[in-house]
Amino acid sequence: DAKTTQPNSMESNEEEPVHLPCNHSTISGTDYIHWYRQLPSQGPEYVIHGLTSNVNNRMASLAIAEDRKSSTLILHRATLRDAAVYYCILRTQGGSEKLVFGKGTKLTVNP
Amino acid sequence: GAVVSQHPSWVICKSGTSVKIECRSLDFQATTMFWYRQFPKQSLMLMATSNEGSKATYEQGVEKDKFLINHASLTLSTLTVTSAHPEDSSFYICSATISGTGLFGYTFGSGTRLTVV
Repeated sequence: DAKTTQPNSMESNEEEPVHLPCNHSTISGTDYIHWYRQLPSQGPEYVIHGLTSNVNNRMASLAIAEDRKSSTLILHRATLRDAAVYYCILRTQGGSEKLVFGKGTKLTVNP
Repeated sequence: GAVVSQHPSWVICKSGTSVKIECRSLDFQATTMFWYRQFPKQSLMLMATSNEGSKATYEQGVEKDKFLINHASLTLSTLTVTSAHPEDSSFYICSATISGTGLFGYTFGSGTRLTVV
């Protein structure tokens, strides 16, 4: 699976929007962009995924660059419960089903 | 939604003993399960992939005789840490998916914290 690059950490204030970037310059046409997050002492949870178009769900929005070499996870109003490590992962359609985690971005939300 | 239950949530064992961790998919049949290990302040490291009814595929560097994985049914996979040592102390996490649908999300257990004393 292609590699992603994320900032090690980011900070936000409660009730403000958060934009978490992810670079994936070697993405291929069949790679889906997945985001997972891991709260302290818990297993990861699925956040959102997309291929080419921007995606919205109840948790977040995913904005995908036109060239697909980068994407941004958007939390519209951060809460203290959103403090977690966020992982951006590429999954290849038809490829290995393994989900390989990078280092992720640790998001701190200040009250 | 899909739920994966992992048990126990924490365990303390003596050095040299074996520990079994269970991972169950509660409301779906998981044809593929994954086992991860996570050390403090580090990311998840994939240990192995198991498909129901077949032998697990281990990642490079993971000792298959030490970390025994059994996926005997579509709803249960187990990881047994044999002859545990203090360096095996870690957070173990399982994940499950329906084969061929992984593009649409994986479900993770809540993890098992193993402490070997």
